[in-house]
Amino acid sequence: GENVEQHPSTLSVQEGDSAVIKCTYSDSASNYFPWYKQELGKRPQLIIDIRSNVGEKKDQRIAVTLNKTAKHFSLHITETQPEDSAVYFCAASRGNTGKLIFGQGTTLQVKP
Amino acid sequence: EAGVTQSPTHLIKTRGQQATLRCSPISGHTSVYWYQQALGLGLQFLLWYDEGEERNRGNFPPRFSGRQFPNYSSELNVNALELEDSALYLCASSPTGLGGNSPLHFGNGTRLTVT
Repeated sequence: GENVEQHPSTLSVQEGDSAVIKCTYSDSASNYFPWYKQELGKRPQLIIDIRSNVGEKKDQRIAVTLNKTAKHFSLHITETQPEDSAVYFCAASRGNTGKLIFGQGTTLQVKP
Repeated sequence: EAGVTQSPTHLIKTRGQQATLRCSPISGHTSVYWYQQALGLGLQFLLWYDEGEERNRGNFPPRFSGRQFPNYSSELNVNALELEDSALYLCASSPTGLGGNSPLHFGNGTRLTVT
């Protein structure tokens, strides 16, 4: 069935270092891949998304890459800051189903 | 612009009771989505409503149901509550017709505790 695997489950980096979170999806028809950030006790918020016709997208310190052949996509955060500490979720969806399949989340801790 | 609002913030129920959760989407958004976020788990898709109709539902039993009103607000009903229904229930909205292939705007959620 539909599934999104996300790794690692926890990630600790020093401030200024880079962080990479990886996701693999099972449904080859998936064509939309958003990333959400959820700070403790707050709502998930979209930080970046990518569609299947694009291989890479950047927004300041955040970038996402997509490998459709491998059914794999990754989030890259450069120059991490303490305020980047949160749980990050990847997700995948296809067509007009209204359904996002979320990964299990990665808890990112940025140490000052 | 007001965001997605959900009520109540917290809800405590006893096993076997019914719970009703409410959601108001962003003005102009006609699609409403419900997700369950159990402790330590990712978000699980529950239901999608658009233009007053249920468009899709996730792998949840029929005791999870809901509806969307003419003003596009929505409610989620959970009947015959079980202990494992304890979770954060998140509502999200998006503009019409995009079926989730667009950024979702989430509310702050309703924390349901079943004792």
